[in-house]
Amino acid sequence: GAVVSQHPSWVICKSGTSVKIECRSLDFQATTMFWYRQFPKQSLMLMATSNEGSKATYEQGVEKDKFLINHASLTLSTLTVTSAHPEDSSFYICSAPTSGSGSNEQFFGPGTRLTVL
Amino acid sequence: GNSVTQMEGPVTLSEEAFLTINCTYTATGYPSLFWYVQYPGEGLQLLLKATKADDKGSNKGFEATYRKETTSFHLEKGSVQVSDSAVYFCALISNTGFQKLVFGTGTRLLVSP
Repeated sequence: GAVVSQHPSWVICKSGTSVKIECRSLDFQATTMFWYRQFPKQSLMLMATSNEGSKATYEQGVEKDKFLINHASLTLSTLTVTSAHPEDSSFYICSAPTSGSGSNEQFFGPGTRLTVL
Repeated sequence: GNSVTQMEGPVTLSEEAFLTINCTYTATGYPSLFWYVQYPGEGLQLLLKATKADDKGSNKGFEATYRKETTSFHLEKGSVQVSDSAVYFCALISNTGFQKLVFGTGTRLLVSP
């Protein structure tokens, strides 16, 4: 099946710093990628939809200035958590459909665990 | 709006027991339905899916049947193993409008030897 990678797999940072998380589709092109956030023992919450060549679409309640998304190419989307604070500590997961937004199957990255001290 | 409801966990079973995890949904149109599994510290993996009514998805001994009349997609396995211990998420994508996955809250399964 299609493979989606994320980097880094975990990161620890100081409060006030920014952290960039990369999501790559390794063997297919993805014009759309999705970013989720998962709190311990909870479900995934969709944060935003990343669109190649255009602005991301954010879900209600997600601060676009805090969670910057850049879909630089057909295989790479990045999520930057700006001025991170301890409450931003979470598990961030990306996914990508294999045939643009028209596909009904998505492949997930392994996730990035962010800990903000 | 679209939503998915799963039974609360954790579900605790002995090895070789029968597993059922209930999932019901609310959606406009005819959604595609999925079960994802998440092992500790990992991302989600697609376990099985069904795209239309009466379809049965199956994989690794797990099965789920798309029941439109009861809006359900219950996950079953006849004999669980310790390695099946994980969190299971039921999800849907509506076939009307933009296709975003909607997840249930997840059900943790613990299988003991």
